[in-house]
Amino acid sequence: DAGVTQSPTHLIKTRGQHVTLRCSPISGHKSVSWYQQVLGQGPQFIFQYYEKEERGRGNFPDRFSARQFPNYSSELNVNALLLGDSALYLCASSFGQGDQPQHFGDGTRLSIL
Amino acid sequence: GNSVTQMEGPVTLSEEAFLTINCTYTATGYPSLFWYVQYPGEGLQLLLKATKADDKGSNKGFEATYRKETTSFHLEKGSVQVSDSAVYFCALTRILTGGGNKLTFGTGTQLKVEL
Repeated sequence: DAGVTQSPTHLIKTRGQHVTLRCSPISGHKSVSWYQQVLGQGPQFIFQYYEKEERGRGNFPDRFSARQFPNYSSELNVNALLLGDSALYLCASSFGQGDQPQHFGDGTRLSIL
Repeated sequence: GNSVTQMEGPVTLSEEAFLTINCTYTATGYPSLFWYVQYPGEGLQLLLKATKADDKGSNKGFEATYRKETTSFHLEKGSVQVSDSAVYFCALTRILTGGGNKLTFGTGTQLKVEL
């Protein structure tokens, strides 16, 4: 079975631009979470979606937004990119909510010039 | 708020040595605890978990016991291999008011195993 898939794998943008990152969860998983991992740090929680509704939001500015589609895939959008947005963006899926293990994709490496 | 503290790395060991990576946490209630591993250029893989006090999670020779009295979840392996070289993250989960759950991670501990 396919794991969590993310696209693109790498992306280079300049300051002020907008970016969209995509994630397909493991088949049968209905919850998708997004994390930002800055080099040398642990991942930081951005959003969680379950059944197309936002179920949690981390401490990130409004430039960050996300949505989940009827097939449970998800997009993360970041507007007005800053140099500090350079990071590995990880998507994780789980079967449901509550105390469910989250399974991660390989991430999208975003570099801002 | 919730937080996770891990020992700083890198930890460098010879093959077949004993491994301990310390992890302590601060949390309200009784969170579930996890260890994730990240190989170079990859995402995080769930290594093991424990959901309540005194539970022992184990996988691929790695073990960790949920110690409520010391708020710890130390990772151990009796004999490491070169292939275990990676970054290890300790994490706890917190249930959110909207019904979701978020993982809170430590900063990670890099393990290097040499022949």
